[in-house]
Amino acid sequence: DQQVKQNSPSLSVQEGRISILNCDYTNSMFDYFLWYKKYPAEGPTFLISISSIKDKNEDGRFTVFLNKSAKHLSLHIVPSQPGDSAVYFCAASVDNAGNMLTFGGGTRLMVKP
Amino acid sequence: DAGVIQSPRHEVTEMGQEVTLRCKPISGHNSLFWYRQTMMRGLELLIYFNNNVPIDDSGMPEDRFSAKMPNASFSTLKIQPSEPRDSAVYFCASSFRTGGSYGYTFGSGTRLTVV
Repeated sequence: DQQVKQNSPSLSVQEGRISILNCDYTNSMFDYFLWYKKYPAEGPTFLISISSIKDKNEDGRFTVFLNKSAKHLSLHIVPSQPGDSAVYFCAASVDNAGNMLTFGGGTRLMVKP
Repeated sequence: DAGVIQSPRHEVTEMGQEVTLRCKPISGHNSLFWYRQTMMRGLELLIYFNNNVPIDDSGMPEDRFSAKMPNASFSTLKIQPSEPRDSAVYFCASSFRTGGSYGYTFGSGTRLTVV
């Protein structure tokens, strides 16, 4: 049973437009959420996170939104750039100790010039 | 810091052979994780260690898989005997388990192909 789901395996966006990547979770005990970005032949790297006490966290072009009642989070990238093309993984944990992250299946984002 | 170091980067082996994947975590990190990435299942946690002790190995698919962490700077994931369905990218990650918002640091992965 997948506790963290990314239902869109891929997303294609034009450069300059907004990219919205979605993630749903089922475990109500999750209270810390992260997004990782992965380029080919590299390991995933941390992008942005949000605690369950917040509903929004912004870092430059990247914003993560959390809707606890819907058990849904999303990552917004605006404006999208070709260098953002990568696989994005959503992850969740019960605490923010970096312990036992549960990952979604990933969404491949392609930003077209 | 050189980050999390995994070796080899690529491994091609024949079915039935033993495969050993290696990982050197970031110095000072006290948690280490082995993940497997496949197209079908994304990133799956196989096992994790805290202070060199295995805490949760419920993700290890079968008895053919085993992992060890003899000291704070080295871990191995062994598959014996290997099967074609084990073909995947295997990632090692480490973290400093005292809180913070940055989760894990991943290695570059080992791409395993079993033919």
